[in-house]
Amino acid sequence: SQQGEEDPQALSIQEGENATMNCSYKTSINNLQWYRQNSGRGLVHLILIRSNEREKHSGRLRVTLDTSKKSSSLLITASRAADTASYFCATVTGANSKLTFGKGITLSVRP
Amino acid sequence: ETGVTQTPRHLVMGMTNKKSLKCEQHLGHNAMYWYKQSAKKPLELMFVYNFKEQTENNSVPSRFSPECPNSSHLFLHLHTLQPEDSALYLCASSQTGQGSGYTFGSGTRLTVV
Repeated sequence: SQQGEEDPQALSIQEGENATMNCSYKTSINNLQWYRQNSGRGLVHLILIRSNEREKHSGRLRVTLDTSKKSSSLLITASRAADTASYFCATVTGANSKLTFGKGITLSVRP
Repeated sequence: ETGVTQTPRHLVMGMTNKKSLKCEQHLGHNAMYWYKQSAKKPLELMFVYNFKEQTENNSVPSRFSPECPNSSHLFLHLHTLQPEDSALYLCASSQTGQGSGYTFGSGTRLTVV
C-alpha cells in the first residue's frame, strides 16, 4: 500500500530557482527518506530524516519534517539543469527497515 | 557505481522463456530487496531477504521466484511471464537497524513479448 504521496506530481522551473517538493504520509514513521532517480536508472539516496528531527541539510538540499501534519518537504536551492530527475519520498514504519515509496515527482530544470 | 550491481541491464524474453536476474552487493549489507517499477505506479516491494532468509513476500505471483544463496547475492528467476510483467526491476541493499538508506542497483529493464 502506498504510504508517501508527493506533491506536485510534476514541477518545471528555471535554472537558479529553488525547487520545493512535498510529501505526505498516513501512519507514524521511524524515518523518512528522499531519493532521486534519473531516467531509467536506479534510485540514489539523498537524505534521511528521523521522526525526532525537524530539519536536515545536505549541500543544496534542505529537508523538513512535521510529524504533527505527517508531511515533509524537500527544498533544492539554486537548481541546476543536472537536477532534472524524479524525486521520491519513502517512509520506514515499524520495527523493520522496509521502505514504502510514493509515486514520485518529476522535476525539470530549464537551462 | 553504487556498490550494487545488477545484470543484465536489459532483457527481452518470450512468455515461455525462463530467465534469471542477478544482483550483487559488496557493501557488507545484511538485507537485500527486489522492487518492481512500472510506469505511473509507485515502486512495489516484491521480496525482502535479511541475512539471506526471506522475510517478506509481497503477494508476488509464483512465476517470480527469488533466491538468496548468501548475503551478497540475490537472484530473481522468471518463468512464463506475462506482458504486464514488463517493468524496471530494481535490487537494493541496506544495513538494517542503523537507520540508513537503501543502496540501489541500476535495474534490469525487462520486456516480455
